[in-house]
Amino acid sequence: LAKTTQPISMDSYEGQEVNITCSHNNIATNDYITWYQQFPSQGPRFIIQGYKTKVTNEVASLFIPADRKSSTLSLPRVSLSDTAVYYCLDRGSTLGRLYFGRGTQLTVWP
Amino acid sequence: GAVVSQHPSWVICKSGTSVKIECRSLDFQATTMFWYRQFPKQSLMLMATSNEGSKATYEQGVEKDKFLINHASLTLSTLTVTSAHPEDSSFYICSAHGAGGGRGRLAGPTDTQYFGPGTRLTVL
Repeated sequence: LAKTTQPISMDSYEGQEVNITCSHNNIATNDYITWYQQFPSQGPRFIIQGYKTKVTNEVASLFIPADRKSSTLSLPRVSLSDTAVYYCLDRGSTLGRLYFGRGTQLTVWP
Repeated sequence: GAVVSQHPSWVICKSGTSVKIECRSLDFQATTMFWYRQFPKQSLMLMATSNEGSKATYEQGVEKDKFLINHASLTLSTLTVTSAHPEDSSFYICSAHGAGGGRGRLAGPTDTQYFGPGTRLTVL
């Protein structure tokens, strides 16, 4: 039931900026776009959420174009500890239920 | 951010026994909690929505008589895996809505959902 599409994996090096793009081809008008991070054997951790344009917090930025059919999670200057699976989701029209896709495995190399 | 705990963090049991997993919201009230299951190298799969004071809503394909959910208070939901078998071995994760904007406000569907640390169930 996952409605989003994202790359299966990405590689980066420490200190680089990483941008992970997600497709939201079936996003509903009242859906928000949310990103989670998950480390092995842990529950997902909320990263950021937005509706349109740009949202920034202490860990990431989220860019959403006007048509809202895609989103880009930007992680500035990644470190080894950012190696994790990142999930993008549409939220709202499913009454809080989250349907996870396969996520993007980000591997940061030294 | 809000904290959600799970207990136990891991459990090993014999086939045929029942196992109860607790999910607690530690610093906020959660009228709705969710239960997920995650197999190795796979994504999270939503199992059911746990509603305080009412019956849980199960996703298609999830056996409600096998996975019993009780949401007796605004801070506690339990998942009981009945007559567990090896194929039930998995990582079980709960989540709860955080009602931001002050205590007492019910969380909406776009309020942040906080996840517990997960429970590793191994059925021998």
